[in-house]
Amino acid sequence: QKEVEQDPGPLSVPEGAIVSLNCTYSNSAFQYFMWYRQYSRKGPELLMYTYSSGNKEDGRFTAQVDKSSKYISLFIRDSQPSDSATYLCAMFKNTNAGKSTFGDGTTLTVKP
Amino acid sequence: NAGVTQTPKFRILKIGQSMTLQCTQDMNHNYMYWYRQDPGMGLKLIYYSVGAGITDKGEVPNGYNVSRSTTEDFPLRLELAAPSQTSVYFCASSYSGTRSYGYTFGSGTRLTVV
Repeated sequence: QKEVEQDPGPLSVPEGAIVSLNCTYSNSAFQYFMWYRQYSRKGPELLMYTYSSGNKEDGRFTAQVDKSSKYISLFIRDSQPSDSATYLCAMFKNTNAGKSTFGDGTTLTVKP
Repeated sequence: NAGVTQTPKFRILKIGQSMTLQCTQDMNHNYMYWYRQDPGMGLKLIYYSVGAGITDKGEVPNGYNVSRSTTEDFPLRLELAAPSQTSVYFCASSYSGTRSYGYTFGSGTRLTVV
């Protein structure tokens, strides 16, 4: 069983929709949680970084962490065609040299 | 500020050949990593380094080697290339410990072994 499971998608939504991307994890030792966005044929870029349970907002993006349920989510409000990309969740433990474990990614297409 | 630079961007290797993927960062990050990404899959850790002179294996190290002689550079060596090593390779770096704010990735090297 994988330590990190990500909703596989693909996901296709109309412009302006609210998007929810989700990951679950099995190891309670994970303490730091990240979302990366990866455009086609590019390297991933860090979108959101959170440590504690709760919500963190940055513009149209909200990262949510529920450590008791071992569940993280990324919400995108007012989605735009430029949000079309693959989104990867990632997490790492406190004492393992920052080695991140990644989900397999969810590919999102936002249609104009 | 260049961030993480990877070369080459593309390469085709024949079975049994060797090559070195170059990675350099100019952010003075202690931690550096090599990941591979197969189509439709997430990233799998090959090797990582917590500082110059210190390297360790990740999840899928077989067929690869690394060195870290300086803070800036972290080359990945492929010996005796096999078709199973066809993949996209990403180098990444980060600050250490609780200063870590996630990775900065390079743009990747797309490798095909034929």
